[in-house]
Amino acid sequence: DAGVIQSPRHEVTEMGQEVTLRCKPISGHNSLFWYRQTMMRGLELLIYFNNNVPIDDSGMPEDRFSAKMPNASFSTLKIQPSEPRDSAVYFCASSLRGELFFGEGSRLTVL
Amino acid sequence: GQQVMQIPQYQHVQEGEDFTTYCNSSTTLSNIQWYKQRPGGHPVFLIQLVKSGEVKKQKRLTFQFGEAKKNSSLHITATQTTDVGTYFCAVTPAGGTSYGKLTFGQGTILTVHP
Repeated sequence: DAGVIQSPRHEVTEMGQEVTLRCKPISGHNSLFWYRQTMMRGLELLIYFNNNVPIDDSGMPEDRFSAKMPNASFSTLKIQPSEPRDSAVYFCASSLRGELFFGEGSRLTVL
Repeated sequence: GQQVMQIPQYQHVQEGEDFTTYCNSSTTLSNIQWYKQRPGGHPVFLIQLVKSGEVKKQKRLTFQFGEAKKNSSLHITATQTTDVGTYFCAVTPAGGTSYGKLTFGQGTILTVHP
């Protein structure tokens, strides 16, 4: 079975550009999570959805970040405009009964 | 907000030695999960503990949940080089659903010298 699929795996962009990260959760999972990982701050929960509805977005850093889940098989995390401090690995994870299945992550570098 | 402290931050061991990492919460927990992340990889679920005083084993790994449901430990017996990675605890506060918001600890980075 396919796991959580994220794209792109790597993204290098310049400050001010828009970045869109994509995630396909495991089929049948009803919860989806976006995490950000940095050396300084560790794994931070940005937002999570249950049955496609955003439940808690208190971890979203600021208005430059937005996330959508238009259907059960797709989610996006958008950063506009991007800044160098957004450089991190962004993980998407899905869940059915509480345990998280993580994707391989999207490594974002903002120059 | 939820405070989760993991100690130690780093642990270097010789292959064959034991290893333990601890996770402490400021509040009572509904459950705790443990994850392992290999260098350059993504976190992988190891186990979930729900009951007070619960002990679970997976081969050389032993997981414990404290009686007060505020702390937990992961113990590895006779480490191997394949145990290298970062071990995270992730918690759900009491009153939260097990399908909801998980807060991750800072992780313990384990290196194993052959």
